Amino acid sequence: DSGVTQTPKHLITATGQRVTLRCSPRSGDLSVYWYQQSLDQGLQFLIQYYNGEERAKGNILERFSAQQFPDLHSELNLSSLELGDSALYFCASSAGGSYNEQFFGPGTRLTVL
Amino acid sequence: TQLLEQSPQFLSIQEGENLTVYCNSSSVFSSLQWYRQEPGEGPVLLVTVVTGGEVKKLKRLTFQFGDARKDSSLHITAAQPGDTGLYLCAGADTNAGKSTFGDGTTLTVKP
Repeated sequence: DSGVTQTPKHLITATGQRVTLRCSPRSGDLSVYWYQQSLDQGLQFLIQYYNGEERAKGNILERFSAQQFPDLHSELNLSSLELGDSALYFCASSAGGSYNEQFFGPGTRLTVL
Repeated sequence: TQLLEQSPQFLSIQEGENLTVYCNSSSVFSSLQWYRQEPGEGPVLLVTVVTGGEVKKLKRLTFQFGDARKDSSLHITAAQPGDTGLYLCAGADTNAGKSTFGDGTTLTVKP
């Protein structure tokens, strides 16, 4: 158990809909990262927050947005969903520092029908 | 843009064999992590290497960081079916506070 929690574990929705994925980082970690992993592919970095502020952006679509709240939990919002958005979405947290070791949650499997 | 290339992409071996997977970049990293991911689960941190030339051992797994801190290798001795999974390397950029992940090596160890 990494200490990072993600909800829901599974999500099935239709094209055009909007969903929200939730992540709670490990206790004490200030950084939260979001990744997308499509079938048989590596991790695609989406976005990073540090103590409530956006710190780095990867290949995140304009239809996607995220935020980190004062209690440090984070939400990833996906809107106008397309079939190609079906994937595993992982959240990771890190204490920061030089090594940037990340601890991953169990993921949310999104299926868009 | 920092890129990490992992090779081979896929590796299928018999139980008891040895193997090495590689993680290469043209960029220098302040540290490098190796993760293992099982299907449907999140990656799990195995090790962090920091110093050029550093070697770390974790039971049958040996991790090495290149002298120039641009590349790394993971060697597994006497592989077991439980070693099956996706092995990911990630290079950390201290200044940017983020990591770049390779696409991974999918290892299958057959009994």
